[in-house]
Formats: sequence, C-alpha cells, structure tokens
Amino acid sequence: DVKVTQSSRYLVKRTGEKVFLECVQDMDHENMFWYRQDPGLGLRLIYFSYDVKMKEKGDIPEGYSVSREKKERFSLILESASTNQTSMYLCASTAQGGRLNYGYTFGSGTRLTVV
Amino acid sequence: AQSVTQPDIHITVSEGASLELRCNYSYGATPYLFWYVQSPGQGLQLLLKYFSGDTLVQGIKGFEAEFKRSQSSFNLRKPSVHWSDAAEYFCAVRRGSTLGRLYFGRGTQLTVWP
Repeated sequence: DVKVTQSSRYLVKRTGEKVFLECVQDMDHENMFWYRQDPGLGLRLIYFSYDVKMKEKGDIPEGYSVSREKKERFSLILESASTNQTSMYLCASTAQGGRLNYGYTFGSGTRLTVV
Repeated sequence: AQSVTQPDIHITVSEGASLELRCNYSYGATPYLFWYVQSPGQGLQLLLKYFSGDTLVQGIKGFEAEFKRSQSSFNLRKPSVHWSDAAEYFCAVRRGSTLGRLYFGRGTQLTVWP
C-alpha cells in the first residue's frame, strides 16, 4: 500500500560525489516536493515541481538540482555532495485542484550521510 | 517571514494525561491548516486538517484540533495520551493558491512517561 517511495532509506556518500535521490509516487499527483529535515529546523523546502519538466526553487535550493522527466518520478540531485548536506530528505506529493485539500503524502525519507 | 510557529520544542507528559500542542500561523485570509505526526525514522503522517466550517476537527488516533481565528491558532489536543503517541508533531499551513505548497512549523517533540 506504499504510495510515495523513496529509493533508499540510508545512504553514505563521500564529499564531492554526485548523489541522486529518487522519489516515485503512484497516485497520479501533479505536485511533488523535496524537503530536508534537520533537528530544530523543521522541514525546509528545497525544490518543488507542479508538472513534468517544470521546477521551482524552494527556500534552500543552493547545492541541489532536480529532474522531473515523468509525472510519477521526481529526482533530487546533489551535484557535489558536502558534509553540510548530511540530513534526512523527505519527498512528498499532492494533487492539484480540489484534491489539494487532501494534503501531502510523504515518503519514508532518505537519511543521507556525507563523509 | 515565519508562517507557522510552534512555541514548544519539547513537551513531556505522563501516560493518561491530557495533551495540547500549540500552533500559531500568520496569514491574512483563512488558511488551510494541517497537523502531521512523525514517528522515529519515518515520514510524516497526516493527523487532521481544517479548511472551513466547524472549527473543531477530529483526526486519527483520537486527536482533535481547534481553529481560532481571533488567536491565529490551531492547537492540537488529545484527552488521554498513550505511550505510542511519543513522536514529533508538525503544524503546517497552505496559503491560498500556492500550488499546494505547505509551510511547516519547526515541530514539537513529545515524550510520554509511563
């Protein structure tokens, strides 16, 4: 019954590596979001997308990029991983229009450690 | 500007005691309000939401929340806490037409003593 799937629960990467975090949803949602979660800071929006090939910067896009080639998949890319990107990354999706009111559906998160 | 404020970073209650988690928002029009819960190592799960109508809304797991426009608040309550309620709780607001973007508070960590 999983509806938003993040490909990895835990990742360990080296500084300078290019890192891909994948998120897939099966609810035909138009909107998808990437957040990072750090203790005491809550959830901070990195990027979001409201359509295929469309993307919008969130509050902390520096050091990240995204890709949305298909409606169901939204990828977060760390171009050159740094230790300050060690965090929990959460993907979420939501429908548009009247179904917006259902709120987000979240994935289980990817805990990324950059060493 | 901070849209959602959760003034309590950490709350500790005894099992069976009542609970109230505070949430204040800043938005001129009527917001869409949500409460989410996150168990350790998990994603966030929707507890309840408010859009319009009755200002007291019921959610899952025995939680309820009350929207008070005059106080710009949407506090979460539970009459009797269970040990399994220990988790982090997030209040969120959606402001008008923002393509569904939610603004989250920083969260309140709930510890339950047996």
